[in-house]
Amino acid sequence: QKEVEQNSGPLSVPEGAIASLNCTYSDRGSQSFFWYRQYSGKSPELIMFIYSNGDKEDGRFTAQLNKASQYVSLLIRDSQPSDSATYLCAVNRNYQLIWGAGTKLIIKP
Amino acid sequence: KAGVTQTPRYLIKTRGQQVTLSCSPISGHRSVSWYQQTPGQGLQFLFEYFSETQRNKGNFPGRFSGRQFSNSRSEMNVSTLELGDSALYLCASSGQGSDEQYFGPGTRLTVT
Repeated sequence: QKEVEQNSGPLSVPEGAIASLNCTYSDRGSQSFFWYRQYSGKSPELIMFIYSNGDKEDGRFTAQLNKASQYVSLLIRDSQPSDSATYLCAVNRNYQLIWGAGTKLIIKP
Repeated sequence: KAGVTQTPRYLIKTRGQQVTLSCSPISGHRSVSWYQQTPGQGLQFLFEYFSETQRNKGNFPGRFSGRQFSNSRSEMNVSTLELGDSALYLCASSGQGSDEQYFGPGTRLTVT
């Protein structure tokens, strides 16, 4: 079992709809969780981080953390074609980020 | 505030050669991490430095090494290059007391 797991997709969502991305992790001691967006040929860009159980909202993005179930999710409201990218989930452990394989999101106009 | 910078952006090397990549963190950030990204393996952690000390190292052979200078700039070196070292090498920095890592644009290394 990988330490951080994501559905590789692609996940296809109509423009204007809500995109829901999920990630599970295996280390119960994990404290910090991150979502990065990566466009093809570019470096990862930090879009959300969450440390406590519950929801954290920033503009159209909401991160949700459930430590008991060991999952973290990212919701993107009012999806735009520019949101089409690979979304990477990462967990911090001992000064390093442990990465999921990423979910490719496609927003269809 | 300027972001993380990496030089060079692109490199083509021959098997057996060595290469040095450079990273300048965001001003005030003292932690620098290095990652390798390939289509097959995804993102993999190489090492992390804070105040010139390596605090953690990933599962890479000894051909991969790094260092950090007193101004927090960091370099990584790969000796005796192999074809499999072709990858995007990413540097990220974070501030003191923060886990959030911010990435530079990366160095695309091609080994022929």
